[in-house]
Amino acid sequence: GAGVSQSPSNKVTEKGKDVELRCDPISGHTALYWYRQSLGQGLEFLIYFQGNSAPDKSGLPSDRFSAERTGGSVSTLTIQRTQQEDSAVYLCASSAGQKGQPQHFGDGTRLSIL
Amino acid sequence: KNEVEQSPQNLTAQEGEFITINCSYSVGISALHWLQQHPGGGIVSLFMLSSGKKKHGRLIATINIQEKHSSLHITASHPRDSAVYICAAGRRNTGNQFYFGTGTSLTVIP
Repeated sequence: GAGVSQSPSNKVTEKGKDVELRCDPISGHTALYWYRQSLGQGLEFLIYFQGNSAPDKSGLPSDRFSAERTGGSVSTLTIQRTQQEDSAVYLCASSAGQKGQPQHFGDGTRLSIL
Repeated sequence: KNEVEQSPQNLTAQEGEFITINCSYSVGISALHWLQQHPGGGIVSLFMLSSGKKKHGRLIATINIQEKHSSLHITASHPRDSAVYICAAGRRNTGNQFYFGTGTSLTVIP
């Protein structure tokens, strides 16, 4: 597709379970970002991938959160031992990679922890 | 303290009114972005600017680097402009990390 694709669009799971969220960036985009938007809150940076460089993980809120980007394309955000405060919309964005380039956002995954 | 502050938080306008949303930031930036988020969550990048002014249709974005301030203007507002508008500062020298304002919720009444 032409845009950033995220799956699933909605995920409901029980507290303590692990979840995986997937992001397919725009083809050719070397930069990929994960953000979190909690109810009533602004966007929160989680992690940034740029090409083959080591990712910037400075926004990950705890060691239960991790992300991978395989082959410089698809990315997976994993949350282990989910907690209720992890409930949020998780957004992925990609850009062409040069600093300041506009980001293209996916529609997000709405995660609900029961 | 937030690195990016937006005002107002909420704004209601009559169709046709001229609208201004303000953004102030405290970090050194490589670029300033304005995003639009419609109900349902989809986010669209409206502008990316590092100096001066940009215009797209009825939307105008300006930035004053010395004052660390940006504004988004909407001329002849329309109900379809109703959305949350988010200011994002791309921080200089830290890769492409962004700091986001909490957004301005705009409602345009017919």
